[in-house]
Amino acid sequence: KNEVEQSPQNLTAQEGEFITINCSYSVGISALHWLQQHPGGGIVSLFMLSSGKKKHGRLIATINIQEKHSSLHITASHPRDSAVYICAVQSNFGNEKLTFGTGTRLTIIP
Amino acid sequence: ETGVTQTPRHLVMGMTNKKSLKCEQHLGHNAMYWYKQSAKKPLELMFVYNFKEQTENNSVPSRFSPECPNSSHLFLHLHTLQPEDSALYLCASSHRDEQYFGPGTRLTVT
Repeated sequence: KNEVEQSPQNLTAQEGEFITINCSYSVGISALHWLQQHPGGGIVSLFMLSSGKKKHGRLIATINIQEKHSSLHITASHPRDSAVYICAVQSNFGNEKLTFGTGTRLTIIP
Repeated sequence: ETGVTQTPRHLVMGMTNKKSLKCEQHLGHNAMYWYKQSAKKPLELMFVYNFKEQTENNSVPSRFSPECPNSSHLFLHLHTLQPEDSALYLCASSHRDEQYFGPGTRLTVT
């Protein structure tokens, strides 16, 4: 069993829908990262958080340390949001080693 | 654009060939990484370099040989690879625990 589990593995939604992607982890962490990977491979860091909630544009990330769970939300989804979203956990600040989930493939249909 | 570049973007090589992947960043980051991404698997950390010194080798076979001549450049030398080594190879650099990924090299071993 992977230390980082994401759900769902695949998600297809209509443009405009509210999207939620979940991440659960089984180890103690100092921070959790949400990453976006577009077709072609390039990965972009969306959020790094260790508590509470962060918002950037239409993206919101939340984390519950006690429950070892994080969610990534996308409001007013758009076809350009179609990508693979990857959750990764960091065990200690200053230790750059990340453990990754397998990703959630999101497809937004116009 | 994350500021991390990788060349080549695509590479096809035979099992007896020797080739090198190159990664470059001029972001002033002191940590650089090689990751392997195989189909339907989480990203796997291969190597970490801090201030040009290797600080992590994640049990990578010796047919993969990293080199970090300075803080801006990272190479991955490949020789006698196997077909199962076909994957996307991603380079990253980091600053304050946030990682910046390159676009990746899509490697096919025939």
